[in-house]
Amino acid sequence: DIQLTQSPSFLSASVGDRVTITCRASQVISSHLAWYQQKPGKAPKLLIYAASTLQSGVPSRFSGSGSGTEFTLTISSLQPEDFAAYYCQKLDNYPPIFGPGTKVDIK
Amino acid sequence: QVQLVESGGGVVQPGKSLTLSCAASGFTFTNYGIHWVRQAPGKGLEWVAVVWSDGSTKYYADSVQGRFTVSRDDSKNTIYLEMDSLRVEDTAVYYCARRVTSAPHPFDYWGQGTLVTVSS
Repeated sequence: DIQLTQSPSFLSASVGDRVTITCRASQVISSHLAWYQQKPGKAPKLLIYAASTLQSGVPSRFSGSGSGTEFTLTISSLQPEDFAAYYCQKLDNYPPIFGPGTKVDIK
Repeated sequence: QVQLVESGGGVVQPGKSLTLSCAASGFTFTNYGIHWVRQAPGKGLEWVAVVWSDGSTKYYADSVQGRFTVSRDDSKNTIYLEMDSLRVEDTAVYYCARRVTSAPHPFDYWGQGTLVTVSS
């Protein structure tokens, strides 16, 4: 099975910072990757799919890029409501596993 | 609006069974596969199972294969996850999420989750 890794696993940042999270797949998955945001006690929320397509209603400060085995999620200017955990997920075939997550905390 | 509402969680002893439900509304249920994803306390997301819109195509994670069974009742717009031979490591919040059946669509709506605690 394909494995996903994320780096960093924990990130401390300030409001206004540019933040980049990386997701790597152990095999090529084309652009079949999604990113989710999860706040404590809440369900995950879809941010980006097909590696770079912004889900409707998601602020434009979020962007995604990459294909093949390496992908990035970028938050151009971190806002107070963006402090959360972020997960990538592969969508090419089964199982549609998730990466281990990146927690973004307040510096 | 799209809603997915899980129910049926609770405290259960190891080796026992429990059935979760996921009630859907606000969309054409028969167009979507419904997935179960769980999250152990303080841990990440783990995909568990799916039943496609055809009702017969099902996939399971290796960790639950043979113990969990997913089904759907299109007349009630409801998905079920029957969990047998529960283990302590099955303790988690269980979420249902919808996805257009064919890959590579994402999970675009999620329920709020229901907590399952397996403990003696």
